[in-house]
Amino acid sequence: DVKVTQSSRYLVKRTGEKVFLECVQDMDHENMFWYRQDPGLGLRLIYFSYDVKMKEKGDIPEGYSVSREKKERFSLILESASTNQTSMYLCASSPWAGTSYEQYFGPGTRLTVT
Amino acid sequence: GQNIDQPTEMTATEGAIVQINCTYQTSGFNGLFWYQQHAGEAPTFLSYNVLDGLEEKGRFSSFLSRSKGYSYLLLKELQMKDSASYLCAVKDSNYQLIWGAGTKLIIKP
Repeated sequence: DVKVTQSSRYLVKRTGEKVFLECVQDMDHENMFWYRQDPGLGLRLIYFSYDVKMKEKGDIPEGYSVSREKKERFSLILESASTNQTSMYLCASSPWAGTSYEQYFGPGTRLTVT
Repeated sequence: GQNIDQPTEMTATEGAIVQINCTYQTSGFNGLFWYQQHAGEAPTFLSYNVLDGLEEKGRFSSFLSRSKGYSYLLLKELQMKDSASYLCAVKDSNYQLIWGAGTKLIIKP
């Protein structure tokens, strides 16, 4: 069974803290993605990676960085958390080949920055 | 710019049929996806359309017209468990998914 896991379901951090969100997939997928989801805005792509050590900026990369040292693991880093980064963060993965492959999502991390 | 439009919220009755529309303007087209997302949970894949026409999958069907930039998701024999948000997403010329804001579907007994 396809599985994408995220390190935390809920997280509360203070402004200025460094925050790490971890995502692991067990499907041997090449592509991995980080999104944030806010009410009324839909999913917005932060970063994606199509291979180990490769990363590409999405639509809203400011204030975030990522790391992909192993194929199965994709980490999102908030260098200095701010209140406007309070959101639901969703990780997803998909195979490289073909356009018809859907993305598989993790359960999400609801991050609150106070 | 790229844009996906879908209604914010819809209400329907258990056992009825509902159609959720999605219109899109994107740079290129490499397929359209529908996802279901229950409150507090991850989106899960429902359907994929890349050619014009209707794709049927049990109680759910999805239609695409590329010339009109239009798709709909049709849900038949509605059940209470169908209460969820339905997300429309288009894969653009760079093979990136552009997402709509989602339609919250409320099912009443």
